[in-house]
Amino acid sequence: QSVLTQPPSVSGAPGQRVTISCTGSSSNIGAGYDVHWYQQLPGTAPKLLIYGNSNRPSGVPDRFSGSKSGTSASLAITGLQAEDEADYYCQSYDSSVRGVFGGGTKLTVL
Amino acid sequence: EVQLVESGGGVVRPGGSLRLSCAASGFTFDDYGMTWVRQGPGKGLEWVSGINWNGDSTGYADSVRGRFTISRDNAKNSLYLQMNSLRGEDTALYHCARYSSLYRYGMDVWGQGTTVTVSS
Repeated sequence: QSVLTQPPSVSGAPGQRVTISCTGSSSNIGAGYDVHWYQQLPGTAPKLLIYGNSNRPSGVPDRFSGSKSGTSASLAITGLQAEDEADYYCQSYDSSVRGVFGGGTKLTVL
Repeated sequence: EVQLVESGGGVVRPGGSLRLSCAASGFTFDDYGMTWVRQGPGKGLEWVSGINWNGDSTGYADSVRGRFTISRDNAKNSLYLQMNSLRGEDTALYHCARYSSLYRYGMDVWGQGTTVTVSS
């Protein structure tokens, strides 16, 4: 049972928009801690996709965007591409030095 | 090239101990906090432990507190995870990752991981 709750799976056709939700509580996201998103392609290490709720590291396409409100956050992917098929994880903190992850969402591009 | 390379994984019996290492290169190690994140077979990511830049602040997941100890040696650009009283549920691929205020404490560089198998 993960501290942050994500849907196990989402899917969409190429070119479509999908969103992945991440629900926490008043002790983590709602306490003001930032939310980060990671993309994990099969057999590889996770990659930072969105940091600080809505910021993209250099090299991440602007098709990826993040937002946060209250005790939840969401990741949106527009113009879906086959290469976006991966597992996506949200992450935050519930104290200054204790991290928490969501259970992960498998994105399938139809 | 910025790189994190884990080592020290292996097969260990329940109740046994193992020490993981993470060698950092290509960046100023003591500018960053460090974490250990694990992924069990077919499972999601689990945050295990974190340590700030100078080692005076550490945190642990409830599942490992009291059994695992994180530490770092900035002179050797290395991070460690001492794992004692290992259980079957500790079987996982263990990644080290760095974080900093630059990325609002998101983890921007990850190692490929080292595998720990706890089995009799």
